[in-house]
Amino acid sequence: AQSVTQLGSHVSVSEGALVLLRCNYSSSVPPYLFWYVQYPNQGLQLLLKYTTGATLVKGINGFEAEFKKSETSFHLTKPSAHMSDAAEYFCAVSDGENTDKLIFGTGTRLQVFP
Amino acid sequence: EAGVTQFPSHSVIEKGQTVTLRCDPISGHDNLYWYRRVMGKEIKFLLHFVKESKQDESGMPNNRFLAERTGGTYSTLKVQPAELEDSGVYFCASSQGTALTGAFGSGTRLTVV
Repeated sequence: AQSVTQLGSHVSVSEGALVLLRCNYSSSVPPYLFWYVQYPNQGLQLLLKYTTGATLVKGINGFEAEFKKSETSFHLTKPSAHMSDAAEYFCAVSDGENTDKLIFGTGTRLQVFP
Repeated sequence: EAGVTQFPSHSVIEKGQTVTLRCDPISGHDNLYWYRRVMGKEIKFLLHFVKESKQDESGMPNNRFLAERTGGTYSTLKVQPAELEDSGVYFCASSQGTALTGAFGSGTRLTVV
């Protein structure tokens, strides 16, 4: 069975600092991996996804994530945090070829301090 | 293009009452999904429609939950009778084709008191 682990339910960074949100997954098949963001009072918005090909995936708002099969990880990074990045971030996995059903992590709330 | 729309945005009901949540997918999207997030926990899959047919309902918690998608357009999720543990945020998503690309609604926050 697939699962997703997000380390750290809360992460705080200063504006301009590196953002690193951790995600590890387990999957018995090559996974499709996703990061979603939820801003206050809004729906889930896709930041980026990995299906096949290049393991470094660039998303919206300057975020990127790298698929590391050997580490079963898909950590989300952004070189310089902005106040507007404050939100909750969710990592998700699906087995893609068999289903569009997503398995989500428990989420990481990012706070950005001035 | 309008996004996925969910009604109501918030609902507070008493234990034992009935509540119906509605999801309007993006026009033309055959796939419609319901997910739920109980406070502090992960977002969990409930079920998947392809047009009007239930493709996968393995995540439905119990028979107090009934989902429909008549005519393959909007969908409703009815909880009857509601219990305290049903409280949470219910998300709907839609897609065309495979590999869900993230068209989620803003969710319905259900509170059962």
